[in-house]
Amino acid sequence: TQLLEQSPQFLSIQEGENLTVYCNSSSVFSSLQWYRQEPGEGPVLLVTVVTGGEVKKLKRLTFQFGDARKDSSLHITAAQPGDTGLYLCAGERVGETSGSRLTFGEGTQLTVNP
Amino acid sequence: KAGVTQTPRYLIKTRGQQVTLSCSPISGHRSVSWYQQTPGQGLQFLFEYFSETQRNKGNFPGRFSGRQFSNSRSEMNVSTLELGDSALYLCASSVQGLAVNEQFFGPGTRLTVL
Repeated sequence: TQLLEQSPQFLSIQEGENLTVYCNSSSVFSSLQWYRQEPGEGPVLLVTVVTGGEVKKLKRLTFQFGDARKDSSLHITAAQPGDTGLYLCAGERVGETSGSRLTFGEGTQLTVNP
Repeated sequence: KAGVTQTPRYLIKTRGQQVTLSCSPISGHRSVSWYQQTPGQGLQFLFEYFSETQRNKGNFPGRFSGRQFSNSRSEMNVSTLELGDSALYLCASSVQGLAVNEQFFGPGTRLTVL
């Protein structure tokens, strides 16, 4: 069982549409990070959310951290073909041993068709 | 600032062989973490090194090992390779000592075991 459940797993939409990707867990996270990964490359950090209820915006991307710090969402407005990629949520669980150890969701493969 | 670098980018080995992968973190970053990414399992945490000491370890067999040098560069070794070890191996570095430990990934080493 994945500690971080991402949905949907696959998403294929037309340019200009809006979409939301969800990242849920029964565990509490001290922080949650969203990454985007392109084929053959490493994940690129998009944003980190730390405070419950926090909302962060990055151009057309809006990230939200749940009040209880157990879930997060990524909303993309007016998607463009350049948004195509694998979106990953990852977090550090509260109570985890010290140091860096990210738990990853399975990822959402987004395809934006022109 | 240069990003995380990993060498080699691609490797082909046969079952039973061993392999060593290298990672150079971002300058000033003292923590290096290693992850294995496969289509079926997603990103799985291998281990983390900080100040030349392994600080965290994931659920991988002892065939997977690593080390960190005084300049924070890290290597991971996989002995007695199995077909299932074929994966993208990612290294990530972080500063440590901050309230939130953001991790920055390298491009990965694609290992194919035949």
